Amino acid sequence: GQQVMQIPQYQHVQEGEDFTTYCNSSTTLSNIQWYKQRPGGHPVFLIQLVKSGEVKKQKRLTFQFGEAKKNSSLHITATQTTDVGTYFCAGRRSGYSTLTFGKGTMLLVSP
Amino acid sequence: DSGVTQTPKHLITATGQRVTLRCSPRSGDLSVYWYQQSLDQGLQFLIQYYNGEERAKGNILERFSAQQFPDLHSELNLSSLELGDSALYFCASSAHDVNTIYFGEGSWLTVV
Repeated sequence: GQQVMQIPQYQHVQEGEDFTTYCNSSTTLSNIQWYKQRPGGHPVFLIQLVKSGEVKKQKRLTFQFGEAKKNSSLHITATQTTDVGTYFCAGRRSGYSTLTFGKGTMLLVSP
Repeated sequence: DSGVTQTPKHLITATGQRVTLRCSPRSGDLSVYWYQQSLDQGLQFLIQYYNGEERAKGNILERFSAQQFPDLHSELNLSSLELGDSALYFCASSAHDVNTIYFGEGSWLTVV
């Protein structure tokens, strides 16, 4: 079945440093979504990427979808303590209704 | 607030018992999804319903079952519970089965 891998599993940065998490799918995706889960909370949708090579920005967050539509990345510039949480990518294959989630990258930001 | 309501928020039960988790999707959403989240397995997809019908099945154990009712709320039934079933169970909903999904706050199940 489809597998979605995320690396790293965990990253601890100092406030102001950049952060990147990478997502790789074993199959070509029709789209990929990113979610953020704060400690003790539930996953919250951040963004969806659909097109090959697509890049989207949300303030300090930059999301990319690979040319082959099998990988994606989330980059946070100048992290803040409010960025703390676990970031999940979730991929959907063409013709399938379900999202397959990666195991997430837990980000800890020290002030 | 995502608009997805889950009850109970916390539940402690003994091994061998059976529990029912309930979910009310966002108003107008036809799809309901159930996910299990544990520390070592991340978010595991269990099952999806669309407008009352089972649409997709994931890593759901035979001891678990679910259904979606005509009013679109859903229930996840967990039986013959084992210690390893302790986890956070999320319900999520979407307008259609290819849209963004919105998660409820989850039901914490502890099996002792």
